[in-house]
Amino acid sequence: DIVLTQSPGTLSLSPGERVTFSCRANQVLSSNSLAWYQQKPGQAPRLLIYGASNRATAFPDRFSGSGSGTDFTLTISRLEPEDFAIYYCQQYGRSPYTFGQGTKLEIK
Amino acid sequence: EVQLVESGGGLVQPGGSLRLACAASGFTFNNYNMNWVRQAPGKGLEWLSYISGDGSTIYDADSVKGRFTISRDNAENSLYLQMDSLKDDDTAVYFCVRDGLGFDYWGPGTPVTVAS
Repeated sequence: DIVLTQSPGTLSLSPGERVTFSCRANQVLSSNSLAWYQQKPGQAPRLLIYGASNRATAFPDRFSGSGSGTDFTLTISRLEPEDFAIYYCQQYGRSPYTFGQGTKLEIK
Repeated sequence: EVQLVESGGGLVQPGGSLRLACAASGFTFNNYNMNWVRQAPGKGLEWLSYISGDGSTIYDADSVKGRFTISRDNAENSLYLQMDSLKDDDTAVYFCVRDGLGFDYWGPGTPVTVAS
């Protein structure tokens, strides 16, 4: 199975700051089949990035994804108050379609 | 507008069964592969099962293989998850998820509690 490791577990930052989330796979992902999701308390996750770097239309361009192979990154260029949430990466190229354990972004 | 609405969750005793349903609307259901994903209280996301658009291909996570069965009725635009031999650690919110470019649409989830 493909294992995804997200780091760090928690980030404490302030609005206006830049943040980078890391997601590392233990195998090369096929076709960059890596997605990022945002989840707020009591809500379902929302697709944020697919294909490692393609942003979903619901999200503004301060969100960006990059990476290939085994190392992937999600960047928020300038944090807004509504961005504080949990972020998960997921590989959807090969069953089982595993998720990372998540990174919680909290307000400092 | 794409909508996915799960139903069928509730309280069940260990060893019992539940059948979850997901009503899909706003898109051509049989054109899309579908999944079930769950989230235990305070925990992360766990993918459970996948079914192709025509129902011919199914994948399951090891944690539910042999106990949970995914199925779909394209005439009814519905996805199902039959859950048997339920255990305490199956307690979670269960999400129905469309498989587009990534898991692009999620239902709000239905809670399942396994307890005596």
